[in-house]
Amino acid sequence: IAGITQAPTSQILAAGRRMTLRCTQDMRHNAMYWYRQDLGLGLRLIHYSNTAGTTGKGEVPDGYSVSRANTDDFPLTLASAVPSQTSVYFCASSARQGEQPQHFGDGTRLSIL
Amino acid sequence: GESVGLHLPTLSVQEGDNSIINCAYSNSASDYFIWYKQESGKGPQFIIDIRSNMDKRQGQRVTVLLNKTVKHLSLQIAATQPGDSAVYFCAERSQGAGGTSYGKLTFGQGTILTVHP
Repeated sequence: IAGITQAPTSQILAAGRRMTLRCTQDMRHNAMYWYRQDLGLGLRLIHYSNTAGTTGKGEVPDGYSVSRANTDDFPLTLASAVPSQTSVYFCASSARQGEQPQHFGDGTRLSIL
Repeated sequence: GESVGLHLPTLSVQEGDNSIINCAYSNSASDYFIWYKQESGKGPQFIIDIRSNMDKRQGQRVTVLLNKTVKHLSLQIAATQPGDSAVYFCAERSQGAGGTSYGKLTFGQGTILTVHP
């Protein structure tokens, strides 16, 4: 079934550690997004990529980095995790840039201790 | 600032009834509105969208109404089924500004819809 695959599904991480959340899509969508979802704050955009080789900052980019080496993969890295990064992270995609996210993965539940 | 809010945090209906979920928005410059459904433990699922130059759009069992005068958006679900139970939230899109090249989406908090058999 075509869609977005995220890994891991959940993770407990010590503060200060480096962590990469993986995201892969098989729909050949150009645009990809990383959101975090927090109770009371809704979904907030961290980083996005309009096409392979390009990335941009969203609303809450600090402490996160992304890369887009090819169309399918869009990993999100926390260089040095802090407790405030405890959240549920969703990767999403859309066929074209500027469109609303059409497909979401099932999320990675990340706890930073 | 920009905000998207929901009037009701929870909604309980009987199977077969129609459901109406409401959303208020504050940015009159938003050009696009989207409804998402999110089931427990899953990612959001796109339901239906509407452009700001429209006031109504219909999908399969769902209808979105947009009232720009009062900045109000609603999602109507016909013949609600137990499988419709989920969190529903709206999002508004404002055009990219400050050098951004994406349409910024502002998401509401969500309404929990519970459908009783």
